[in-house]
Amino acid sequence: GAVVSQHPSWVICKSGTSVKIECRSLDFQATTMFWYRQFPKQSLMLMATSNEGSKATYEQGVEKDKFLINHASLTLSTLTVTSAHPEDSSFYICSARTSGSFYEQYFGPGTRLTVT
Amino acid sequence: AQSVSQHNHHVILSEAASLELGCNYSYGGTVNLFWYVQYPGQHLQLLLKYFSGDPLVKGIKGFEAEFIKSKFSFNLRKPSVQWSDTAEYFCAVTPASGTYKYIFGTGTRLKVLA
Repeated sequence: GAVVSQHPSWVICKSGTSVKIECRSLDFQATTMFWYRQFPKQSLMLMATSNEGSKATYEQGVEKDKFLINHASLTLSTLTVTSAHPEDSSFYICSARTSGSFYEQYFGPGTRLTVT
Repeated sequence: AQSVSQHNHHVILSEAASLELGCNYSYGGTVNLFWYVQYPGQHLQLLLKYFSGDPLVKGIKGFEAEFIKSKFSFNLRKPSVQWSDTAEYFCAVTPASGTYKYIFGTGTRLKVLA
């Protein structure tokens, strides 16, 4: 149980275009979803927290107009990188928690974004 | 500011050697603590967690961790590693105040030689 999927697993896009990454909780309802960014050989940095039906809360330094997060349902959250640039290339990981999982988060497999 | 530090960035061990990975956090209040493992090409998996109670926590795959509140530490241990333990290990902390946000350590890359 508690499986989180991400799609796509790998995406290449041209500079200036936008790309959408989906995060789904497959067998549970996610009251809260989190989006992380992981640079090579570095740790996970929290970008934003989203609750179903609410606006996302972004961490300091994260551009909310560039990284649009939508948590439209209890099983789906999306991250849209708008007007992507090469410096946005990274590994994006989502996680989810349920009201019953207390403080535990379940992680997706991640999406590798390469902007050319 | 809250932070989590993992002092060992790279560890290389031979099979059957004992493992201890350090994790220290900076936060004055009550915390919940986690260790996650990320095998090559796979997603983060929970090894063990501590919320309260017995400070010695046993997890999956023979791993255990000890919470020492006075030292703000939550070190991960395994008596005898296997080649299949080769992975990256992350310590994470979340304040027990309802934010549910994790603060991750920088990670430790473990390589076990067969």
